[in-house]
Amino acid sequence: EVQLVESGGGWVQSGESLRLSCAASGFMFSRNWMTWVRQVPGQGLVWVADINQDGSEKKYVDSVKGRFTISRDNAKRSLYLQMNSLRSEDTATYYCAALNDLDALDIWGQGTMVTVSS
Amino acid sequence: DIQMTQSPSSLSASVGARVTITCRASQNINHFLNWYQQKPGKAPNLLIYLGSNLQTGVPSRFSGSGSGTEFILTISSLQPEDLATYYCQQPYTTPKIFGQGTKLEI
Repeated sequence: EVQLVESGGGWVQSGESLRLSCAASGFMFSRNWMTWVRQVPGQGLVWVADINQDGSEKKYVDSVKGRFTISRDNAKRSLYLQMNSLRSEDTATYYCAALNDLDALDIWGQGTMVTVSS
Repeated sequence: DIQMTQSPSSLSASVGARVTITCRASQNINHFLNWYQQKPGKAPNLLIYLGSNLQTGVPSRFSGSGSGTEFILTISSLQPEDLATYYCQQPYTTPKIFGQGTKLEI
């Protein structure tokens, strides 16, 4: 079964750190760009970061640059998002997703909730 | 940054109705436009890629059209299970901004 499963979400205080993980199965993980997308409760989707197949290319939305780091371990079929200096506005459900060859996010995880308390 | 504007932000329609949602880009993005459906409490799901290509497994009542700066998602005959919020997204350049969403009520 093609699947992405996020973990690592939780409740933290402002200024603290959290590391999200995303475990892939059922597809050739190492061949895909991977993406993190977040969604504040009741609001829309926000693209957060992309990483290419070997981790040599990373892109971020301006609001997380310098605070968040996307990474991957192809041997473990896992994607990560290290989130430092968290702010209340980072409170959201975080989804990992796989980007196909046609630049579309065709596999999504179920999401993990991050709550940052000020 | 390329901004994406969807309209309407919400709409209510009856079962069997034809529904159209528009997405406008602030710059030319050629055919690089994807549509996603997000049902309440669920992760998004890819419907249409590259403007007009139906993702495998998506019902044929969904279709996409457009290029450049204006794109349209059409549901030809609305079904009860189409209750969801629909998002466009441009993958043309980073940041890969999503539209603000269109909430569809049946």
